[in-house]
Formats: sequence, structure tokens, C-alpha cells
Amino acid sequence: AQSVTQPDIHITVSEGASLELRCNYSYGATPYLFWYVQSPGQGLQLLLKYFSGDTLVQGIKGFEAEFKRSQSSFNLRKPSVHWSDAAEYFCAVGARGTYKYIFGTGTRLKVLA
Amino acid sequence: NAGVTQTPKFRVLKTGQSMTLLCAQDMNHEYMYWYRQDPGMGLRLIHYSVGEGTTAKGEVPDGYNVSRLKKQNFLLGLESAAPSQTSVYFCASSQISNQPQHFGDGTRLSIL
Repeated sequence: AQSVTQPDIHITVSEGASLELRCNYSYGATPYLFWYVQSPGQGLQLLLKYFSGDTLVQGIKGFEAEFKRSQSSFNLRKPSVHWSDAAEYFCAVGARGTYKYIFGTGTRLKVLA
Repeated sequence: NAGVTQTPKFRVLKTGQSMTLLCAQDMNHEYMYWYRQDPGMGLRLIHYSVGEGTTAKGEVPDGYNVSRLKKQNFLLGLESAAPSQTSVYFCASSQISNQPQHFGDGTRLSIL
């Protein structure tokens, strides 16, 4: 069965520092992978997606993620965090041939000025 | 650019009352989904639809019903609300399978 694990419930970083949010998945084949961001009181906005090809994926707002098949991971990174990046981040896995996602439990990011 | 619109944004119900949440999308998407979001549990799929007139159960369907009479609308109904259904409900849509889902802003529902 598919599953997604986001090991960090909360992360705090200083503005300007680098960021890495972890996502590990369990799936028998190569899945579709997504990162979404949710600001307070808002819906989920797609940051980036991986379907195939280049394992380093660029997204919006300066985010990137790297698919590592050997580690079953799809970690989200940003070189320099801005105060406006404070939000909750969700990793999601989609099984090829289906239209359903499995979401992780989210990582809440706090940014210190 | 409306995208996915959810109505209402907030609602308070008493136990046993019924209500319907409306989701409308203007992107001509085939697939639509209803999720609930609870603290520490991420998003869980309630029901989904792969086209007009179709519905299917997701991960947590009990206590909910859905209908997709028109392609652009997906309704979520609570027949007899229970406190355990207090949650934030999100609707999403996608064009085809495995394309990114587009989300509405959510409906915050409290059951007293």
C-alpha cells in the first residue's frame, strides 16, 4: 500500500537560512510526487511535481525538490527562506494509473525574523 | 480566474442537523474530490468522482454522501451531523488522472 511520511511536524528556521523538508514514500513503483503549500486559512497551492525525467525539479517561489529512488525520498529545498514562506507544507504521492493521492501529515514551517 | 470555489466558507451545525457543501470548478476538469483535514492527519479522501454522474468512496466515506449531477459541481452532504465531523473540508479537481489537483479555499465546519 502507498504511504507518505513527513518526519518533521514543525521546523523553525531564521530568515535567509536554507531549508530542507523531508518526505519519504512507500510505493512499489515510481510514483507521481507533489509538494503543496498551505497558508493559514487558505487551500493548498501546488509548488512542484515530479512525473518522470530529471530528478531535480524546480517549482514556484524558488523551491526545488529532488527525487531519490534509492532512498524513496522527495525532499523539498530552498536556498534562502523568506518570512512569507511560513506555512504548512504537504508532500503527496499519486499512484500511476489511478487518480488518487496520499498526503503526508504536513510540516509546519516557522520563520524567525 | 475562479478555479475551485467552495460554499460556504464557515458553518456551525448542531448534532443531527443536515447540510450540503457545494464545490464548483470552472476549468472543465473531469475529476473532483472531497477531502477532510484534521490536525496531525493531513488530508484524507472522503469521496471522489471521475466524471459527471459518477461517484466513488474514498478513505473515510462514512456519514457522507456526494452527487455529481453536473460536471462543474460536486456536492458533499452530511445527513445527520456528528461532532466527529468537525473539520476543514477541501474540494479539489484535476483534468485527468495523475495531473495536479487544484484546491478550493476550504469550508470550516463545526458540529456542536
